[in-house]
Amino acid sequence: GEEVAQTPKHLVRGEGQKAKLYCAPIKGHSYVFWYQQVLKNEFKFLISFQNENVFDETGMPKERFSAKCLPNSPCSLEIQATKLEDSAVYFCASSHRGGGSGNTIYFGEGSWLTVV
Amino acid sequence: QQQVKQSPQSLIVQKGGISIINCAYENTAFDYFPWYQQFPGKGPALLIAIRPDVSEKKEGRFTISFNKSAKQFSLHIMDSQPGDSATYFCAASGTSTGNQFYFGTGTSLTVIP
Repeated sequence: GEEVAQTPKHLVRGEGQKAKLYCAPIKGHSYVFWYQQVLKNEFKFLISFQNENVFDETGMPKERFSAKCLPNSPCSLEIQATKLEDSAVYFCASSHRGGGSGNTIYFGEGSWLTVV
Repeated sequence: QQQVKQSPQSLIVQKGGISIINCAYENTAFDYFPWYQQFPGKGPALLIAIRPDVSEKKEGRFTISFNKSAKQFSLHIMDSQPGDSATYFCAASGTSTGNQFYFGTGTSLTVIP
């Protein structure tokens, strides 16, 4: 597609429940990025993929967060045993060739996760 | 630590005025500096971007000024309009810095009619 498609737009989970978010990158883009935006401000980098391979996972809280990008499937971000602090907007972005040297990333509209 | 520092946090400008948002970075390996505009409930959208081999880039009412020696870049919005009211994020990335994009903390711009 011509845009990054994220689902669901809104998700409400009770503390301790699992949350799973999906992202379909722009067709032809090799890189996928996940960011967490809290309080409408800072973008916290979580993880990036080059095709189905993890490229950079330095931002992932590994004990509860996991992500995958499998061939011919939307990418996913899963949070096990959600906590109140996980309430945020999760943005997926994709890029043709990754960051740097004019390679822009394009964002989806985000998935709003509310943990109650 | 914050790789890209952005100021001010919020900005109020009269319609027709000039809005100026500043960013600074430390890592000289960054070679791409985009600005994103985000409206409430939407994802950030690329507004304009610059590479360090030029000192200025202009697209319509939006101009990026880039000072490589000072490691600073700024967004100027000329003839600001109420429709420009949004949050603006600067960012930086580099092919040799892991392809990750580093974002500033955002500036909330309000243009008063």
